[in-house]
Amino acid sequence: SQQGEEDPQALSIQEGENATMNCSYKTSINNLQWYRQNSGRGLVHLILIRSNEREKHSGRLRVTLDTSKKSSSLLITASRAADTASYFCATEGAQKLVFGQGTRLTINP
Amino acid sequence: DTGVSQDPRHKITKRGQNVTFRCDPISEHNRLYWYRQTLGQGPEFLTYFQNEAQLEKSRLLSDRFSAERPKGSFSTLEIQRTEQGDSAMYLCASSLGVGLEEQYFGPGTRLTVT
Repeated sequence: SQQGEEDPQALSIQEGENATMNCSYKTSINNLQWYRQNSGRGLVHLILIRSNEREKHSGRLRVTLDTSKKSSSLLITASRAADTASYFCATEGAQKLVFGQGTRLTINP
Repeated sequence: DTGVSQDPRHKITKRGQNVTFRCDPISEHNRLYWYRQTLGQGPEFLTYFQNEAQLEKSRLLSDRFSAERPKGSFSTLEIQRTEQGDSAMYLCASSLGVGLEEQYFGPGTRLTVT
């Protein structure tokens, strides 16, 4: 079974707008990671946030983590067509990753 | 390209046949992971290796599945007596294995069982 639940399952926005995706999980974690997957390809690591961190930035990405609510969010600012992909949160515990079902993001030109 | 590679990229087989997939991790990475991903779902953990030792296997990995990592380098995943439910993308990933860090994924092998 999958631990993470992403919300929304699908998101469609105009190029240049910001996109926010949320992830909720069930058990305690060591860290939480976000990955991107373009259609039919492998996953690419985007950002890792440790359980003792609350916010992290990487370029146009901002991730927050609220361990009391067991939730995380991924914000992509100034979206581009190339950001069209599926985004997965993954919680790390006991040396393995447990992925959510993902958010399918579509950026319209 | 020094990333994770997988072979073959696509495999079509008939039900009941055996198939074997190969994964070559990033050379200095100690840990190697196998995941399975079906359409519209996130990857599901199957098993992982620390060097040549297989340290954990998911309940998803039935007796028909076996994985090896001889000499702690490349890994193979074999599925015996394939079933239609085995149709999925099989993803391999590797990591340094020194703590909490990201995993690097290969492009996957898409298996179709007819």
